[in-house]
Amino acid sequence: DVKVTQSSRYLVKRTGEKVFLECVQDMDHENMFWYRQDPGLGLRLIYFSYDVKMKEKGDIPEGYSVSREKKERFSLILESASTNQTSMYLCASSFGQGGYGYTFGSGTRLTVV
Amino acid sequence: GQQLNQSPQSMFIQEGEDVSMNCTSSSIFNTWLWYKQDPGEGPVLLIALYKAGELTSNGRLTAQFGITRKDSFLNISASIPSDVGIYFCAGSAIIQGAQKLVFGQGTRLTINP
Repeated sequence: DVKVTQSSRYLVKRTGEKVFLECVQDMDHENMFWYRQDPGLGLRLIYFSYDVKMKEKGDIPEGYSVSREKKERFSLILESASTNQTSMYLCASSFGQGGYGYTFGSGTRLTVV
Repeated sequence: GQQLNQSPQSMFIQEGEDVSMNCTSSSIFNTWLWYKQDPGEGPVLLIALYKAGELTSNGRLTAQFGITRKDSFLNISASIPSDVGIYFCAGSAIIQGAQKLVFGQGTRLTINP
């Protein structure tokens, strides 16, 4: 069974902390994505990557960075966490041009206090 | 950027009722997808549509890719308690030179037994 695994289901961090959210996929997918999900706003793309060491900004990249050193792993970094970054974070991966749909992880619910 | 307008935002129905939701856009998409998100989980692909006018069924679910390629609907017949969740439409298109999915805001389905 193919999988996208997010390292934590729940995280609580303090304002100003550096936060790492990890995502690993076992499907040899080229493409990986980070979204945040907030009520009434749907899924908003933060960053994506189409290859190792490649990264592209999505719709809401401010306050975030990413790292993709290996094909299977895509990390989202909050350089200095703020309360407005409290949200559900979803990682996804896809094959080829992505028209076949994304496979999502179970999500990480991050609370910044 | 491109946007999908998904409606309704929420639905409260009785078990056994049929459900209908739709997505519209001012932009053309070459693939439409429907996802379901169970509480506390990531979205899971339900149906993918690849051709304008295509009508596809998956059990009690039926979805159509609009002729204009700017809309899609999802119907659920004879709803059951496990249908509860958030349903997302997604359109696939070339954005910023790369194939990406754009998501609707979601429809939250609640079922009264």
